[in-house]
Amino acid sequence: EAGVTQSPTHLIKTRGQQATLRCSPISGHTSVYWYQQALGLGLQFLLWYDEGEERNRGNFPPRFSGRQFPNYSSELNVNALELEDSALYLCASSLVRYGYTFGSGTRLTVV
Amino acid sequence: GESVGLHLPTLSVQEGDNSIINCAYSNSASDYFIWYKQESGKGPQFIIDIRSNMDKRQGQRVTVLLNKTVKHLSLQIAATQPGDSAVYFCAENLLHDYKLSFGAGTTVTVRA
Repeated sequence: EAGVTQSPTHLIKTRGQQATLRCSPISGHTSVYWYQQALGLGLQFLLWYDEGEERNRGNFPPRFSGRQFPNYSSELNVNALELEDSALYLCASSLVRYGYTFGSGTRLTVV
Repeated sequence: GESVGLHLPTLSVQEGDNSIINCAYSNSASDYFIWYKQESGKGPQFIIDIRSNMDKRQGQRVTVLLNKTVKHLSLQIAATQPGDSAVYFCAENLLHDYKLSFGAGTTVTVRA
């Protein structure tokens, strides 16, 4: 069974640009979650999508947004990039709230 | 802020010894807990989970203990191996709110 896949693996952007990160959940999982992990720190919850709807949002500004597609894959968009947005962005998927599985992440570097 | 925290940021253990990693949580409504292992440059890997109607659960070389009275969670790793070197996170989950709240993590280093 394929795990959660994220692309790209690495992304380098200039301050002020937009970044788009993608996630494909495990087959059969309907919920997708996004987390931000700054270097050396824990995981901060960003967004939760289920059945195409945004269900919950963490304490992040509106320039962090996303969506979930009919095939349950998801996209995270970060607008007006700031240097402090540099982090590992992790996507996870689950069925209901079990089987919570993470991908390997996208390393976003803002210069 | 996060409601889940770990007592110690680092743990050094001799290969072959048992490891105990502790975690405190503050939300008494949390009813599902997960331990993850994260190696450098990788995403968190599921280790073991436990629901609030249990106080102990065992896996292969790992045991999770849950003490709801003092809101404490621990992960025990038997016969620690070099491959166990990683950052360990506990996470909690509330019924009807599927997001996980993570602590800061404990870095485990296994000495040969």
